[in-house]
Amino acid sequence: GIQVEQSPPDLILQEGANSTLRCNFSDSVNNLQWFHQNPWGQLINLFYIPSGTKQNGRLSATTVATERYSLLYISSSQTTDSGVYFCAVEQGGANNLFFGTGTRLTVIP
Amino acid sequence: DAGITQSPRHKVTETGTPVTLRCHQTENHRYMYWYRQDPGHGLRLIHYSYGVKDTDKGEVSDGYSVSRSKTEDFLLTLESATSSQTSVYFCAISESYEQFFGPGTRLTVL
Repeated sequence: GIQVEQSPPDLILQEGANSTLRCNFSDSVNNLQWFHQNPWGQLINLFYIPSGTKQNGRLSATTVATERYSLLYISSSQTTDSGVYFCAVEQGGANNLFFGTGTRLTVIP
Repeated sequence: DAGITQSPRHKVTETGTPVTLRCHQTENHRYMYWYRQDPGHGLRLIHYSYGVKDTDKGEVSDGYSVSRSKTEDFLLTLESATSSQTSVYFCAISESYEQFFGPGTRLTVL
């Protein structure tokens, strides 16, 4: 199956700093999503972004499908941004997502 | 927030017992999914449904069965629970491409 690699695996930031999370995938995809899992375990859908760039407040994402990677940018980080960020991709039909192992972000006040 | 609930939220059971987890949605979405989350593996798809009575296997389906008799409910059954099925189970729904997740069920098999 398709391989999804996320980097870095762990990231510690001071509040107010910016960060870039990366997702590489091994084959062409129909679907790519970014999720945030908060410290209480809830998975929150951040972006559906199979290609192009999207922005939502302090977060933005870019997917370069031809080069098989996606980037998630977090600007002016806040302690509430802490948690694990997952990239997930889908190749065939039925929207079956394959997840990376995540980037664990800790934002220190 | 998408209207997805999971029950129970926590369960402790013994090896060899049957267990059923329920996912309920109020969004009338066509697709429903069951994932498990384990340390070091991210989330992995167990089974999914693309309509009432239409289901298919995912990446880690061995030891699990599912049923969907109504649009709003998707049941995951462990016929005879094993310790390797200790995990956090997430249900998800979608109508097109974006998936939305329920709060999860933490299952411990002793």
